[in-house]
Amino acid sequence: EVQVLESGGGLVQPGGSLRLSCAASGFTFSSYPMSWARQAPGKGLEWVAGISDNGDGTFYADSVKGRIAISRDNSKNTLYLQLNSLRAEDTGVYYCAKVAVAPYTDYYYMDVWGKGTTVTVSS
Amino acid sequence: QSVLTQPPSVSAAPGQKVTISCSGSSSNIGSNHVSWYQQLPGTAPKLLIYDNNNRPSGIPDRFSGSKSGTSATLAITGLQTGDEADYYCGTWERSLSVWVFGGGTKVTVL
Repeated sequence: EVQVLESGGGLVQPGGSLRLSCAASGFTFSSYPMSWARQAPGKGLEWVAGISDNGDGTFYADSVKGRIAISRDNSKNTLYLQLNSLRAEDTGVYYCAKVAVAPYTDYYYMDVWGKGTTVTVSS
Repeated sequence: QSVLTQPPSVSAAPGQKVTISCSGSSSNIGSNHVSWYQQLPGTAPKLLIYDNNNRPSGIPDRFSGSKSGTSATLAITGLQTGDEADYYCGTWERSLSVWVFGGGTKVTVL
């Protein structure tokens, strides 16, 4: 079964740091781009970062650029999200998603989502 | 304010049809494929439609997608109580090299 499972969330003080992990299984992890999205309490989905299959390309939403870093370890089938200088508005559920590409195109979509891990930024 | 614009809510009686619009621009919907995601209450998002109008295996044909110019539409026919959820459109924004989601639409079955 193709699945991704997030971990690493928790309570952190403003200005603190946290590293989220996403363990992938059931597919050839190194062949697919991956993304992180988040959802603040009662709000909509917000994409925060993406990474190419080999890790050479990284992409970030303006709202988090400079404060977060996405990375991957293809030998461990694991995706990471390093969160730094955390603010109250970073509170929410963080989802990891496998990115699929339509054949012979560069059109992307997120086809497998994890259950999410909750990050709470509060003093 | 989301780059992609969706109505906050739509509703209809069981068995009826609802449509959800997703309006963008030439640099996102106009030059990319659109996907749609269903988020049932308290759960993670799930892929519903990809490449504008394709359904992953297991998604009933009551759900359909279309795209014209800089707008996309999700249609749900034969509405069921189990379809009550939030629905999001998404695509790649070429001018900024970021993925964008619509603000989400809550579907209520009356």
